[in-house]
Amino acid sequence: IQLTQSPSSLSASVGDRVTITCRASQDIRSYLAWYQQKLGKAPKFLIYAASTLQSGVPSRFSGSGSGTDFTLTISSLQPEDSATYYCQQILSYPLTFGGGTKVEIK
Amino acid sequence: EVLLVESGGGLVQPGGSLRLSCAASGFTLSDHYMDWVRQAPGKGLEWVGRTKDKAESYTTEYAASVKGRFTISRDGSENSLYLQMNSLKTEDTAVYYCVRVDCSGGNCYNKPFDVWGPGTMVAVSS
Repeated sequence: IQLTQSPSSLSASVGDRVTITCRASQDIRSYLAWYQQKLGKAPKFLIYAASTLQSGVPSRFSGSGSGTDFTLTISSLQPEDSATYYCQQILSYPLTFGGGTKVEIK
Repeated sequence: EVLLVESGGGLVQPGGSLRLSCAASGFTLSDHYMDWVRQAPGKGLEWVGRTKDKAESYTTEYAASVKGRFTISRDGSENSLYLQMNSLKTEDTAVYYCVRVDCSGGNCYNKPFDVWGPGTMVAVSS
């Protein structure tokens, strides 16, 4: 199952609403997770089942979608949100990730 | 505190072998699916393989790119996970992450990776 993320990168200002999309090559129901990776660090788990926030993740992060189209939204971008974001399908093997979206702060 | 710490990375020649270790603490390894994920320099994340939990007899799954060359195993007495890498190729150069699958509710199936180690670098070059 291929996952296509868009855009591959974006630049936005603090306080902006940011949306990242992830499209699956086939129906994956809600078996999608999102991760955040800051420069030089391991990824961090953000969202599961397309929309369930992991404990401790700020509420400005949200996820939605099912089937083949998914979105990750940051409602009010903060400086610490500068990172690369990856979607992952966990429906079937091989588990696959999207290509990533790099979010920069203007 | 739940922690994963990888070790064993380094420089190896093409065709060589390397064994990575992952020391787990703060949880019982046998209760979780455990995976390896890698990231080539400047690239995205690639799933390498999985060992399921004790209830599923620690069966394994692998990415096509490593099947037949890499083997995932566990040592329950030491709460450790291993990745044996043989016949290494230059394209195996990457940071390798040990990851835990979220098995909350006693179910690991179709669950995300909730804990990641800091990673260990493997460079395959002559």
